[in-house]
Amino acid sequence: GNSVTQMEGPVTLSEEAFLTINCTYTATGYPSLFWYVQYPGEGLQLLLKATKADDKGSNKGFEATYRKETTSFHLEKGSVQVSDSAVYFCARSGGGADGLTFGKGTHLIIQP
Amino acid sequence: DSGVTQTPKHLITATGQRVTLRCSPRSGDLSVYWYQQSLDQGLQFLIQYYNGEERAKGNILERFSAQQFPDLHSELNLSSLELGDSALYFCASGGAAMNTEAFFGQGTRLTVV
Repeated sequence: GNSVTQMEGPVTLSEEAFLTINCTYTATGYPSLFWYVQYPGEGLQLLLKATKADDKGSNKGFEATYRKETTSFHLEKGSVQVSDSAVYFCARSGGGADGLTFGKGTHLIIQP
Repeated sequence: DSGVTQTPKHLITATGQRVTLRCSPRSGDLSVYWYQQSLDQGLQFLIQYYNGEERAKGNILERFSAQQFPDLHSELNLSSLELGDSALYFCASGGAAMNTEAFFGQGTRLTVV
């Protein structure tokens, strides 16, 4: 079936550091890819998305490029802030009647 | 604010009991998705309803059931509760297609004691 694998956390960085959170997905069908963010005590919020190969999603300084050749959708940000501390989920859709398939989440901690 | 409303926010109940979780989707959204989030299993898709009809089923136990009403709100019924059912239950709403984004509510935290 469909699956999404993302790097285990927690990931701890200093403010203004460069961020990469790796995500790979199973290549069945033609999925759309998403990054969601979950702040403490809240539901998931869509951060960015890409619907086809080579698309780049971007929002709030975060970027991710849909790479079909490597089945990846890595999340990057050039300079993180303390307020970026949250849990980040990579997800894919399509390929069958199973809703969105999420990775296990990466807990990001940004220290001042 | 995503526009998706879930009630209650917290629920504590005993093993063997039955509870009902409620979700009101964003205005105009016809799909409602239910997810379970636990520490060991992560986010698991349970079930989707579209305009009152069941559309897709995921890892939903037979003890669990859901429905979507004519006003599009949805209820998730959990029965014969076990300790392992303790989790965050999220509702999300969105369009009909599986490749569209979903808008999540703040979740119901269920604790079974």
